[in-house]
Amino acid sequence: NAGVTQTPKFRVLKTGQSMTLLCAQDMNHEYMYWYRQDPGMGLRLIHYSVGEGTTAKGEVPDGYNVSRLKKQNFLLGLESAAPSQTSVYFCASSNREKLFFGSGTQLSVL
Amino acid sequence: AQSVAQPEDQVNVAEGNPLTVKCTYSVSGNPYLFWYVQYPNRGLQFLLKYITGDNLVKGSYGFEAEFNKSQTSFHLKKPSALVSDSALYFCAVKAGGNTDKLIFGTGTRLQVFP
Repeated sequence: NAGVTQTPKFRVLKTGQSMTLLCAQDMNHEYMYWYRQDPGMGLRLIHYSVGEGTTAKGEVPDGYNVSRLKKQNFLLGLESAAPSQTSVYFCASSNREKLFFGSGTQLSVL
Repeated sequence: AQSVAQPEDQVNVAEGNPLTVKCTYSVSGNPYLFWYVQYPNRGLQFLLKYITGDNLVKGSYGFEAEFNKSQTSFHLKKPSALVSDSALYFCAVKAGGNTDKLIFGTGTRLQVFP
């Protein structure tokens, strides 16, 4: 039972580079989320989706874009990475009772 | 706007002693409150939630939480701590609307010493 799978697990980027983080869930959940975790700041919501083809902004959306072309996948894109985007990124999906989290992507932007 | 506060960055407790991790909240309307735990290099895992009903909520791994409306608190408790309980604990509140968004606190690191 895979649950929520995030790829890659680690990545180092140079300032200005772009990348896409992939989140896949096999639980048929409608709702999916991208959070970032920074020391002393807890988890902050970047973007979320309430169903295939829909996305919405969270608390800290600037510098990120998302797409939900398929129900099971939720992609997070960084078009031009900045050092302020160094963080651990978590994807989650919801069954309306609770959130299920992936194991995270550690991203460093130099 | 909904928010939660976890006033302690770290809580230290000896194995076998009771533990409490504090959380206070600010919401408009009825609160939907959650506790999640994060072990090293892992994603968050659901522990328990309060929606309505009994003020004492029981969850996974022997944890429980007490909802106190007058003090706007939702403290996490366990009668007897284990070394394996050492982890990062997050309190969360459901944001308004029908999106199931959660607003998380800053987290409290629990360290249980043998």
